[in-house]
Amino acid sequence: AQTVTQSQPEMSVQEAETVTLSCTYDTSESNYYLFWYKQPPSRQMILVIRQEAYKQQNATENRFSVNFQKAAKSFSLKISDSQLGDTAMYFCAFMGNNQGGKLIFGQGTELSVKP
Amino acid sequence: DSGVTQTPKHLITATGQRVTLRCSPRSGDLSVYWYQQSLDQGLQFLIQYYNGEERAKGNILERFSAQQFPDLHSELNLSSLELGDSALYFCASSVAGGDQPQHFGDGTRLSIL
Repeated sequence: AQTVTQSQPEMSVQEAETVTLSCTYDTSESNYYLFWYKQPPSRQMILVIRQEAYKQQNATENRFSVNFQKAAKSFSLKISDSQLGDTAMYFCAFMGNNQGGKLIFGQGTELSVKP
Repeated sequence: DSGVTQTPKHLITATGQRVTLRCSPRSGDLSVYWYQQSLDQGLQFLIQYYNGEERAKGNILERFSAQQFPDLHSELNLSSLELGDSALYFCASSVAGGDQPQHFGDGTRLSIL
């Protein structure tokens, strides 16, 4: 069975600084998809970034980028120029290629951006 | 705004009762997913429907059931409610199944007294 682990329950960063959130996963599949979702205090779930396992190039969305290490089964999220609005819970999620769209989530990392 | 609408936003009921949560997917999306977020279990996948048919099932209790209607809205029915069913229930939708990004609604907060 696939599992997703986020080993940092809480992190904090100063405004304008860079922070990296860690995620590891376990799977025997060769093709799959990885996601980072953000959940602010409003409790919405917002898609931040998506990575296809067959793509070697790391995904980037504005200030958000990932470091995808397939052999190590690692998928970290880097937030550059952190803003107060980035304060949220961040969830790493895995989707297998033959799982019909089922997302498996990690436990989450609570990020606080301090002024 | 994700375009996914969930009603009601909050629901308070008692043990043993039955409730129905409703979800309207984004326009054009055929797949609907239900997730449960609780303090002890985290975010868990419950069930997926695609164009009216059940596509995938997760850790959904037998007391829970869901369906997707011809107009593509979906309902999650929870019966014989227990205190442990208190959670935030999310609906998400995507264009199709598989690798398409899922867009989440704002959730329904269910509190069992």
